[in-house]
Amino acid sequence: QKEVEQDPGPLSVPEGAIVSLNCTYSNSAFQYFMWYRQYSRKGPELLMYTYSSGNKEDGRFTAQVDKSSKYISLFIRDSQPSDSATYLCAMSNTGGFKTIFGAGTRLFVKA
Amino acid sequence: DVKVTQSSRYLVKRTGEKVFLECVQDMDHENMFWYRQDPGLGLRLIYFSYDVKMKEKGDIPEGYSVSREKKERFSLILESASTNQTSMYLCASSRGGTGGQETQYFGPGTRLLVL
Repeated sequence: QKEVEQDPGPLSVPEGAIVSLNCTYSNSAFQYFMWYRQYSRKGPELLMYTYSSGNKEDGRFTAQVDKSSKYISLFIRDSQPSDSATYLCAMSNTGGFKTIFGAGTRLFVKA
Repeated sequence: DVKVTQSSRYLVKRTGEKVFLECVQDMDHENMFWYRQDPGLGLRLIYFSYDVKMKEKGDIPEGYSVSREKKERFSLILESASTNQTSMYLCASSRGGTGGQETQYFGPGTRLLVL
């Protein structure tokens, strides 16, 4: 079993839709949960992170962590064509040496 | 702004060649990482370094070695390239020493094709 499972998609939605991206994981030691966004032909960039369980909101983006279910989500409201990218979930314990990345979900937002 | 640069965007090499991939970061970061990214497999850690001349194996170190002689520079070496090393290689750095969440800053990647 992989430590992190993420549906690779692709996921195609119309502009303005609410997008839900998800990952499950198996290691209960993870404390930090991150979402990276990767545009085509670029390296990933950190979008947002959450410590332990709970929600975090940043503009149109909301990250949710449910440690009891080992399930994390990223919601994108009012999606825009510029949101078209691959979204990778990632998680680590303290110290940050060992960050585990999901395979990434490719998102297309159609104008 | 943190900048991580990689020496090449695209490389084509022959089987058996020795390949050097170089990465430079300009933010005085302690930690540097080499990943490979393959469709469906995500990012897999090859090696990382938490200090000059220090290195640790990641999940898939076989067939690779690394060198960190200066803090800002981390090199990945493929001693004898094979076709199964055709991949996208991503370098990253992070501040280090925080004991908490560490954002990794990635370079643009090197797409390596081994024929």
